[in-house]
Amino acid sequence: DGGITQSPKYLFRKEGQNVTLSCEQNLNHDAMYWYRQDPGQGLRLIYYSQIVNDFQKGDIAEGYSVSREKKESFPLTVTSAQKNPTAFYLCASNMGPRGDTEAFFGQGTRLTVV
Amino acid sequence: RKEVEQDPGPFNVPEGATVAFNCTYSNSASQSFFWYRQDCRKEPKLLMSVYSSGNEDGRFTAQLNRASQYISLLIRDSKLSDSATYLCVVKGGSQGNLIFGKGTKLSVKP
Repeated sequence: DGGITQSPKYLFRKEGQNVTLSCEQNLNHDAMYWYRQDPGQGLRLIYYSQIVNDFQKGDIAEGYSVSREKKESFPLTVTSAQKNPTAFYLCASNMGPRGDTEAFFGQGTRLTVV
Repeated sequence: RKEVEQDPGPFNVPEGATVAFNCTYSNSASQSFFWYRQDCRKEPKLLMSVYSSGNEDGRFTAQLNRASQYISLLIRDSKLSDSATYLCVVKGGSQGNLIFGKGTKLSVKP
């Protein structure tokens, strides 16, 4: 079945640690996105990538890093520089500028700093 | 002006009511428009795409007014299961990025 998969579903991080959230899609989508959602808030864009080996900062990129070495994969690293990382992280993909299709989301990763 | 703005809500309505959600967008070059539904602690899921001529899917009707840069979603005969947050999403600009509104929470009561 085609889809987009995030892992892990829950993640606990100690202060000062870097952690990497996985996002994989087999939909042959060009574009992939990372969003952060805080309780009762909307989605805020962290990073996006329209093509392999290229990515752009979103509205709240500070303290995060990404890579796009393969079309299928867009991992997000939450670094120790992110001062308030506890949130719900959502990865999405779509066809990008070449199509009008909607975005598909992974099930999300809940990150908690302990 | 924010890129995508929605009614702040929340909306609390009885079963059977008709509910209207409104959304405005700032980029006149925006290309595609969607309504998503997000249940508590879940990922957003597509409810409807919004077409220029307007479109209907059962109890749900979406409208687009490009001149006013305005999108709407109407839910008729609301059900308890319609309780969720409704997100307005606009795709546009040279990068074709997806811009989300903050969402409007709907609670349908018996």
